[in-house]
Amino acid sequence: SQQGEEDPQALSIQEGENATMNCSYKTSINNLQWYRQNSGRGLVHLILIRSNEREKHSGRLRVTLDTSKKSSSLLITASRAADTASYFCATDGTDTGRRALTFGSGTRLQVQP
Amino acid sequence: KAGVTQTPRYLIKTRGQQVTLSCSPISGHRSVSWYQQTPGQGLQFLFEYFSETQRNKGNFPGRFSGRQFSNSRSEMNVSTLELGDSALYLCASSSDSGGRPQHFGDGTRLSIL
Repeated sequence: SQQGEEDPQALSIQEGENATMNCSYKTSINNLQWYRQNSGRGLVHLILIRSNEREKHSGRLRVTLDTSKKSSSLLITASRAADTASYFCATDGTDTGRRALTFGSGTRLQVQP
Repeated sequence: KAGVTQTPRYLIKTRGQQVTLSCSPISGHRSVSWYQQTPGQGLQFLFEYFSETQRNKGNFPGRFSGRQFSNSRSEMNVSTLELGDSALYLCASSSDSGGRPQHFGDGTRLSIL
């Protein structure tokens, strides 16, 4: 079963705008990761944030983590058409082992050129 | 380094048959995990192998099994196929340290008729 939900389920924006996706999870975690999936392809790792971190940046990506609310957000700044994809958060829980990732339901992002 | 390679990319089977999927991890990676992705259930963890031993298992029936060879290549087998087994099966590899990003292949799309 999935760890939690992501919202929105779908998001459509114009190139140059920022995109924010949210993820909620249910159990205690060691870390949280974000992945991107282009249609018909595998998942590509974007960023990992550990449970003792609150914010992390990588290029145009900014991730926040609030363990008290069991939630995370992914911000993509200055979006490009190539950012069109589905985005998933994934957690490895303290109870399930560090290699058994539990994925959210995903956000489908459409960036209009 | 070459990425994670999964074969075949597409497979069509009928109910009651069995199927074997193959995964070659990134060179040097000893951990291989398998995930099932369906529109209804999303991404779900199947199992993880390390040094030819299953270390973690998800909530799937015994029809789903796997193994890992001494060169870290892994196979996944599904017996007595059911219509609900139609899915994208993804393999991921990582180093043996916990909390590391997983590197995914492009998956095998299995269709059951």
